[in-house]
This record gives sequence, C-alpha cells and structure tokens, in this order.
Amino acid sequence: ELKVEQNPLFLSMQEGKNYTIYCNYSTTSDRLYWYRQDPGKSLESLFVLLSNGAVKQEGRLMASLDTKARLSTLHITAAVHDLSATYFCAVDPDFGNEKLTFGTGTRLTIIP
Amino acid sequence: DAGVIQSPRHEVTEMGQEVTLRCKPISGHNSLFWYRQTMMRGLELLIYFNNNVPIDDSGMPEDRFSAKMPNASFSTLKIQPSEPRDSAVYFCASSLSGQETQYFGPGTRLLVL
Repeated sequence: ELKVEQNPLFLSMQEGKNYTIYCNYSTTSDRLYWYRQDPGKSLESLFVLLSNGAVKQEGRLMASLDTKARLSTLHITAAVHDLSATYFCAVDPDFGNEKLTFGTGTRLTIIP
Repeated sequence: DAGVIQSPRHEVTEMGQEVTLRCKPISGHNSLFWYRQTMMRGLELLIYFNNNVPIDDSGMPEDRFSAKMPNASFSTLKIQPSEPRDSAVYFCASSLSGQETQYFGPGTRLLVL
C-alpha cells in the first residue's frame, strides 16, 4: 500500500523566514503534485513535478522532486501571511492511472 | 471558464436518508474523481471515471455508496442509507487525461445527524 507522509504536520513561522515542507512516499513514482487548501475551501493546484530533479517555482514557493530518494520538498522563501494554508502533496504511482494518493497535509500558519 | 461545479454545497440530513451529490466537470475533461475529506482520514479517493466509465472504485467504503456518470458532463455520488460516519466534505475533481492536473470543485459539506 502506498504511503505518503508529510512533515511537519503543523508549522508556525514568522513572516520573512524561510522553511521547507517534506513529502516522502513509499513506492516508485515519477509524478508528484502539490496542492494548497485554504480553510473551508477547495484544493488549488500549485505544482506538477514529472521527473527526477524537476524544480518549479512560483513566487515565494519552490518545489523539487528526487525520485531516487522518494522525496519532494516545498520551500517557502521570506514567508508572508497570505501563504497561510494547508499544503498537500500527492503521488501518482502508476503512470497514466491518474489515481492520486494524498499526504496528510501540512498546516502552515504565518505569524506577522 | 467555469470550473468544476458541485451541488449542493451543504447538506444536512438524518441518518437513514438517501443523499445524492452532483458534479459537473470542466467542459472537455474526460476524467472525473470523487474524493472524501475528513479530519481522521484526510483526503481519500472514492472512485474515478475515464470517458464516463468507472475505472477504479476500490475506495468506495461499502455498498451504501454508489456513483454514476451517465454522460460527459454529469456525475452523481449517492449514499443510501446515510450514517453519521459519512459526515465529511465530498470533492469532485476533473482532468484531461495526459495533462496531469486535477481541478477540484468547491466541495459538498455533508452532515448526517
């Protein structure tokens, strides 16, 4: 059974600081997704990582994928309050299957 | 462009009643997914369709749950009879096969009393 683990589960950080969220998964996969969810809202796609070594950046967020280590990271640079949300990674272990397994989520709170 | 549309947005019902959740995927998308989100179990894939055909329903909890996709623009998730443990937020998502990203609807918040 595929397991997708995120850490930390909760993260409280000050504005302006940098931090990284980690996503580990238990089976081979070349496809990993990051989503954001605001409280009471739906999920919004942030990044799709499709190969080993893939790196994508959008604003203060940067995601990377190491398929050999089965690890993805979401790095936050100079955090601002608007980034407060829950972040999920999701893995598609079977190419073309589209069946995603989601991580537990990391609830990020940015403190002014 | 209209995103994924779900209805109702909120549903409160009593145990034993039938509940039907509805989803309209993004026009042109050919894959549709039903997820359930709870505090205890997180986000779980219940079932997904490709070209209106159910591909994987291994996440459907039990026989009380059923899903249909009669055409490319409409899907339903039915719970009969409903139980309090079915209380959750149910999301529908759609994608265009081969283009990776799943787009989520606003969700239906279900409370079974």
